[in-house]
Amino acid sequence: QKEVEQNSGPLSVPEGAIASLNCTYSDRGSQSFFWYRQYSGKSPELIMFIYSNGDKEDGRFTAQLNKASQYVSLLIRDSQPSDSATYLCAVNDGGSQGNLIFGKGTKLSVKP
Amino acid sequence: DVKVTQSSRYLVKRTGEKVFLECVQDMDHENMFWYRQDPGLGLRLIYFSYDVKMKEKGDIPEGYSVSREKKERFSLILESASTNQTSMYLCASSPTGLSNEKLFFGSGTQLSVL
Repeated sequence: QKEVEQNSGPLSVPEGAIASLNCTYSDRGSQSFFWYRQYSGKSPELIMFIYSNGDKEDGRFTAQLNKASQYVSLLIRDSQPSDSATYLCAVNDGGSQGNLIFGKGTKLSVKP
Repeated sequence: DVKVTQSSRYLVKRTGEKVFLECVQDMDHENMFWYRQDPGLGLRLIYFSYDVKMKEKGDIPEGYSVSREKKERFSLILESASTNQTSMYLCASSPTGLSNEKLFFGSGTQLSVL
């Protein structure tokens, strides 16, 4: 059973701090990694994706990937109350169909 | 922007009813998906389709069927609704090629089966 594990949280950080969200995955064949943000009562939206080991930065967001450790993370710098949401980690199924396997999400709360 | 439209935001049905959930996307995407999302269980894939008239079972297909007669439309059918099918249903689409794993979600249908 291929799995994506996330700490469910809630993770609480003060406004302006760095929020660190972590994810581990079981399928060594996975090649694509995604972070989705889901506000309460809304549908998920893609905010970051990463394919290669290392860091990828986009504005206040940085995705980090370590395939050897089967670990992917999302850093949010200068966290804002508007970042309060559930963050879903998704990893492609390394099998032939390549569908995404989602973690259960980490709820982030940014306190003013 | 990609738009994925689900026909109903909230739906209440009775046990045993046949239920149709409709999804339409306007970006000519080849791939379409149906997920359900439940607290504590996350997103689970029910069915997906990579082409017109094509369908594949996901992780939890039991009790569901799908139809894809046109490229832009993917329907989820609950043949005989049961209370354990009360859930948030999310439709998604994605293009083929290098971006085929980037899913665009509809706004969801909260289905309650009484």
